[in-house]
Amino acid sequence: KNEVEQSPQNLTAQEGEFITINCSYSVGISALHWLQQHPGGGIVSLFMLSSGKKKHGRLIATINIQEKHSSLHITASHPRDSAVYICASRESYNTDKLIFGTGTRLQVFP
Amino acid sequence: EPEVTQTPSHQVTQMGQEVILRCVPISNHLYFYWYRQILGQKVEFLVSFYNNEISEKSEIFDDQFSVERPDGSNFTLKIRSTKLEDSAMYFCASSRTGPTNYGYTFGSGTRLTVV
Repeated sequence: KNEVEQSPQNLTAQEGEFITINCSYSVGISALHWLQQHPGGGIVSLFMLSSGKKKHGRLIATINIQEKHSSLHITASHPRDSAVYICASRESYNTDKLIFGTGTRLQVFP
Repeated sequence: EPEVTQTPSHQVTQMGQEVILRCVPISNHLYFYWYRQILGQKVEFLVSFYNNEISEKSEIFDDQFSVERPDGSNFTLKIRSTKLEDSAMYFCASSRTGPTNYGYTFGSGTRLTVV
């Protein structure tokens, strides 16, 4: 079964800083998901990626299939980026069930 | 952008009562899911639903839980007799072709509080 680990658990930054959140997984499943959870609890899908890099605005997600590692980067961080960022992957090859990391709580101060 | 809509956003219920959590998935999506997150814990899978039947369920999804797509647009999660430990945020999600190819869209969640 896949295991998903994230680091760090908590992250504080000053506005404008470059942020990196890491995710590693144990089984090389086809796709990894990055999600954002707002303080109110709602979840938004940010990226699904299976290779290389994806960019959306100030968010960049990369994945290294060989190392089973993915990173989420935020450039020019802003207080509105404060949220919990979660990575998730399929539990195994024969299921669509996602398993989730514990999340990284990011706080960006002005 | 199309959304998955969940209602209510917050529900408080007495222990032992039945609750129904409602979700309206994106209209051309075929795969539907419920996940939950107990406060301070990871998001965990409950059940997946495709072609009007459960395709997979977790150990959490016991006989107290059921899902239904009663009218082709709503997707509901029923808890027959709530327990204190059912207090959690419940998320509905949908996908067009299955999340391995197309990814999920999540709803904003229903916070269930059992007292």
